[in-house]
Amino acid sequence: GAVVSQHPSWVICKSGTSVKIECRSLDFQATTMFWYRQFPKQSLMLMATSNEGSKATYEQGVEKDKFLINHASLTLSTLTVTSAHPEDSSFYICSARVGQSGHQPQHFGDGTRLSIL
Amino acid sequence: AQSVTQLDSQVPVFEEAPVELRCNYSSSVSVYLFWYVQYPNQGLQLLLKYLSGSTLVKGINGFEAEFNKSQTSFHLRKPSVHISDTAEYFCAVSDGPGGFKTIFGAGTRLFVKA
Repeated sequence: GAVVSQHPSWVICKSGTSVKIECRSLDFQATTMFWYRQFPKQSLMLMATSNEGSKATYEQGVEKDKFLINHASLTLSTLTVTSAHPEDSSFYICSARVGQSGHQPQHFGDGTRLSIL
Repeated sequence: AQSVTQLDSQVPVFEEAPVELRCNYSSSVSVYLFWYVQYPNQGLQLLLKYLSGSTLVKGINGFEAEFNKSQTSFHLRKPSVHISDTAEYFCAVSDGPGGFKTIFGAGTRLFVKA
């Protein structure tokens, strides 16, 4: 149980393109979803937290207009990287959690490797 | 504010040897502690968690961790590792019942050699 599907797993696109990444909880309802960015050989950097039906909460330094997050249902959150540039190339990982309490573990998708040419 | 320190960035070990991956945390409130494993090009998978109760927590794949409040540590151990345990391991902490965010450590790369 507690499966999170992230799609696509790999994206290569030209600079200036917008890219949408989907994160779905397949067998549970995710009250909260998180979006992380991971640089090579580094830890996860939290970008934003989204709760179903409300606006995402972005971490300091993360551009809201650049990284658009939508959490339209209890099973789906999307991250859109708008007008992507090479510096946006990274590994993006989503996770989903039941409820807002810290005692609930996060369930992670397999990540999306984004390469901007 | 919470923080997590994983003391070793890399741990090389021979197959069938025991291993300990160290994690220390700081928090002014009660915490929940987690260990996650990440295989190449994948997301993170929960190994085990400490919420309350027994300080020795057993997880999947033969791993266990011990919560030590006085030393603010949550070290991960396995008595005999396999080649397949080669991966990145992350320690994480979140606040108590009112907590919301989870903070991850920098990760420890476990490399199991034949």
